[in-house]
Amino acid sequence: GQNIDQPTEMTATEGAIVQINCTYQTSGFNGLFWYQQHAGEAPTFLSYNVLDGLEEKGRFSSFLSRSKGYSYLLLKELQMKDSASYLCAVSDSNYQLIWGAGTKLIIKP
Amino acid sequence: GAVVSQHPSRVICKSGTSVKIECRSLDFQATTMFWYRQFPKKSLMLMATSNEGSKATYEQGVEKDKFLINHASLTLSTLTVTSAHPEDSSFYICSARDLEPYEQYFGPGTRLTVT
Repeated sequence: GQNIDQPTEMTATEGAIVQINCTYQTSGFNGLFWYQQHAGEAPTFLSYNVLDGLEEKGRFSSFLSRSKGYSYLLLKELQMKDSASYLCAVSDSNYQLIWGAGTKLIIKP
Repeated sequence: GAVVSQHPSRVICKSGTSVKIECRSLDFQATTMFWYRQFPKKSLMLMATSNEGSKATYEQGVEKDKFLINHASLTLSTLTVTSAHPEDSSFYICSARDLEPYEQYFGPGTRLTVT
């Protein structure tokens, strides 16, 4: 079956760095997405990886290893507004998104 | 990124009535739109995939006669919750898929409360 695993909840301190991991097993692979979702709002796009390696975009970076079925989202210089859920999603062979359950990130002052 | 609108943003209706939610892609043509439901503190649950000009594909456990989906044009899909009940109260989110890199752009969501 298809499966996306990510931690349920993580806590970090303002100004610090946090890494949110995602492992996946899917039928086919056409890229991995990370979305941010604040409570009561729809998800917003953060990043897309289809090739191995690190993609950097400002304070956020996303890494992919296709051979390991593994990705992580790295958030630097954490701000209170980064408190949100972070959703990992894989595009399968039919370009359907398979969603992880999301990681709730709590930022403490 | 592309813009997807959703209307209404909030709706309260009485049990037994029907509610229509519209999803529009404003600056691109979306051949495929998706409807999700999300309960509090839960992840997104895909309800159905809507392709322009054809019948929607529903996920297992989603009643197609209760959740009517119409995708009549490349920029508009509608979800009608028929004979709504309190257990249908949820956050409904649509998304529209662009061609490359098959990214899904999400609407702002509709919070449905059935009393």
